[in-house]
Amino acid sequence: AQRVTQPEKLLSVFKGAPVELKCNYSYSGSPELFWYVQYSRQRLQLLLRHISRESIKGFTADLNKGETSFHLKKPFAQEEDSAMYYCALLTGGGNKLTFGTGTQLKVEL
Amino acid sequence: SAVISQKPSRDICQRGTSLTIQCQVDSQVTMMFWYRQQPGQSLTLIATANQGSEATYESGFVIDKFPISRPNLTFSTLTVSNMSPEDSSIYLCSSANTEAFFGQGTRLTVV
Repeated sequence: AQRVTQPEKLLSVFKGAPVELKCNYSYSGSPELFWYVQYSRQRLQLLLRHISRESIKGFTADLNKGETSFHLKKPFAQEEDSAMYYCALLTGGGNKLTFGTGTQLKVEL
Repeated sequence: SAVISQKPSRDICQRGTSLTIQCQVDSQVTMMFWYRQQPGQSLTLIATANQGSEATYESGFVIDKFPISRPNLTFSTLTVSNMSPEDSSIYLCSSANTEAFFGQGTRLTVV
């Protein structure tokens, strides 16, 4: 069965420090992975997807099939990056998403 | 992109009663989904709302407890039936064509 693991519930970093939010997945098929973000009092929204290979708000994520990982990275954290981040795996056709448990990122001044 | 309006945004309900949550999308979408997010846990898919036919439920969720309607390509409802305190959760509507969009959620408290 498919599974998404985010080992850290809370990650606290100082402004300007590098950020890495970890995500590992388990899936027998060809994975399609996403990062979603939820800022305080806002709805869940797509941050980036691996097939786009893009950088959004300075964040990047590379799919590593050998390590079954899709870690989210940013070289210099900003205060406005504080939010809840969810890694998600597209499975079963029809755009069904399996979510990790989420990591709360807190950027301190 | 799609904008999803979900209501109510929150409610406090007595056990044994039922609550219907509405989800309206501002454009026609192929897929609509209902998720549940229990306190401190991740989002769990309840079911896929199929237009014109019965919803497809995930393991652990049944139609009698969570009846779903989808009368057209822009609207769906989820009913939480015969509620108990264990149903206290955030319920999220999602739509997807090439990308998944989410409503703001309904925070349900059952007392």
